[in-house]
This record gives sequence, C-alpha cells and structure tokens, in this order.
Amino acid sequence: EVQLVESGGGLVQPGRSLRLSCAASGFSFDNYAMHWVRQVPGKGLEWVSGISSNSGDIIYADSVKGRFTISRDNAKNSLYLQMNSLRPEDMALYYCVRRSDGRAFDIWGQGTLVTVSS
Amino acid sequence: EIILTQSPGTLSLSPGERVTLSCRASQSVSSNYLAWYQQKLGQAPRLLIYGASSRATGIPDRFSGSGSGTDFTLTISRLEPEDFAVYYCQQYSSSSYSFGQGTKLEIK
Repeated sequence: EVQLVESGGGLVQPGRSLRLSCAASGFSFDNYAMHWVRQVPGKGLEWVSGISSNSGDIIYADSVKGRFTISRDNAKNSLYLQMNSLRPEDMALYYCVRRSDGRAFDIWGQGTLVTVSS
Repeated sequence: EIILTQSPGTLSLSPGERVTLSCRASQSVSSNYLAWYQQKLGQAPRLLIYGASSRATGIPDRFSGSGSGTDFTLTISRLEPEDFAVYYCQQYSSSSYSFGQGTKLEIK
C-alpha cells in the first residue's frame, strides 16, 4: 500500500524550531519529487515547499523562505521539513505529499499538526 | 504568484443534479499544470483531475475537467451523496504552486 506518514508536530513557542518528518512506503520514493502543503483547520490549502527526487531542485513559498528547509533521505525513504523562527501564522496541519503527473499531488499523508503559541 | 479564484464559495444542491465549479486564474496557466482535489471533513485532499482534464486513478467518470488559459471548470455529471465535500483547484507555474480558496458543495 502506498503510504505517507508524517510525524514531529506539536506545540512550540513563537521563535522556536520544529522538525517534521514523513515516512514513505509502498512506492519507489527516490523516483518522485516530494512536497509539503499546509492547512489551517477549517481553512484552505497552502503549498509550502518542494524537493526534486535527487534533491537538486528545491523551492519554497515566499511565506516560509529563509525560515524553513526541506530535505530528504532516499536511503531512509524519508522527507523532512526543518522549521525555524516559527510564527503564529505557521500554525497548521502539515501534509506530506507526492508530486505526480502534471505537477499534481497524488498521494497525501494524514497530516501532522503544528501549534505555535506562547 | 498566480492567484486562483473559485466560484461560487458554496453551492447547495441535491443528489442527481449536475454541477459545474469554476476556477479562474489571475494569469494564464498551462493546461498541463491545473489540478482539482476533493476534501471531505477530517480527511486529506484527494486528487481528482490533473492536466486540466485527465482523471486520476480510480476517479469515477462522472467527474470531468476542462478549460484553458485563465478559466477552468470541474463538472460532476450526476451528484452522488459521497460527492458533497470541498473542492480545490491548484496550479503550477514558474517554480511556484497555489491553490484556490475552495468551493463547498452541500446537500440541499
């Protein structure tokens, strides 16, 4: 079964850091670009960051550029998001997603919730 | 950044009806890079359509997508009870992705 499982979310104070992880299974992880998409509960979807299959191409939304770092370890079938200088507006459910044909996201994890509050 | 505007915000319909959802882009979007998703309460989004008109794996043929340039539509030919959800469009252009704000389909 193709699956993405996120972890690492939690409660963090503004200005602090958090690292999210995503474990992939059921497909050839090193063949796919991977992304992070976030969603404030009850609100819409916001694309956060993406990384190519060999880590050679990395892109970020302007809202997180300079604060967040995406990375992957193909040997461990894992995707990461290092989030520094967290702000209240970063509070959301963070989804790990697989990018497929047409730059669409065909596989989604269940999400991990990040709460930024003092 | 390309902004996607979906309309209407909410639609109240009955099972069996036909519905067309709209997604308008602030700049021209390649048809290759326009997708539609369905999200039910408490669940992750599910890919329905990619490349503006190609159905994703396992998606029923009552779902269809069309459009080009700045105007795209998702049509559900005959609403089933399980289709009542929120629908999002998404685009890729110039190393950036964006989503529309969503259209909620509710049962009348």
